[in-house]
Amino acid sequence: RKEVEQDPGPFNVPEGATVAFNCTYSNSASQSFFWYRQDCRKEPKLLMSVYSSGNEDGRFTAQLNRASQYISLLIRDSKLSDSATYLCVVSTPNTGFQKLVFGTGTRLLVSP
Amino acid sequence: DAGVIQSPRHEVTEMGQEVTLRCKPISGHDYLFWYRQTMMRGLELLIYFNNNVPIDDSGMPEDRFSAKMPNASFSTLKIQPSEPRDSAVYFCASSYRGLNTQYFGPGTRLTVL
Repeated sequence: RKEVEQDPGPFNVPEGATVAFNCTYSNSASQSFFWYRQDCRKEPKLLMSVYSSGNEDGRFTAQLNRASQYISLLIRDSKLSDSATYLCVVSTPNTGFQKLVFGTGTRLLVSP
Repeated sequence: DAGVIQSPRHEVTEMGQEVTLRCKPISGHDYLFWYRQTMMRGLELLIYFNNNVPIDDSGMPEDRFSAKMPNASFSTLKIQPSEPRDSAVYFCASSYRGLNTQYFGPGTRLTVL
């Protein structure tokens, strides 16, 4: 079983739609959680951290359920520029620092 | 401020050849990571350094892979001999004090024929 699992998609949505991605992780010792965004043929970039109480950054809302080991990302009012792959990332303790484990990503395609 | 720099951006080589990938981390960052990304396996951590010292190389697939960091501003990942299954995008990333935000370079797209 993969340490971080995501639905690969693609999710095809029209502009203005709301879309949600889910992710599960297997290591209960995981301490920090993130969503990274990766554009086609580019490097991953941090989109937002995920906090236990849930957090929002503009049109993006992230939530964490530690009991179920489940993370979500909600994008409201989708824009064409949101088209990308969204990577669920979990950090686990490793020799004194937090090792990041990446999911394989969920691809989002926003169409006009 | 310059980000993480990687070279070459693209590399096409033949099976059996030696390949060297290069990385310059962000100035002041003390952690450096090498990742490999494929469609099937996603992004995998190969090795990481702290203050130029290799800490964990458990992700290195086999002895054909080696990595060095001779100083704080330069690291190499070498594959010798290369095989077609090594074809992937190799990313270098750096961070400060192991804080969770890792900054990735643009990657090297390696094709082994």
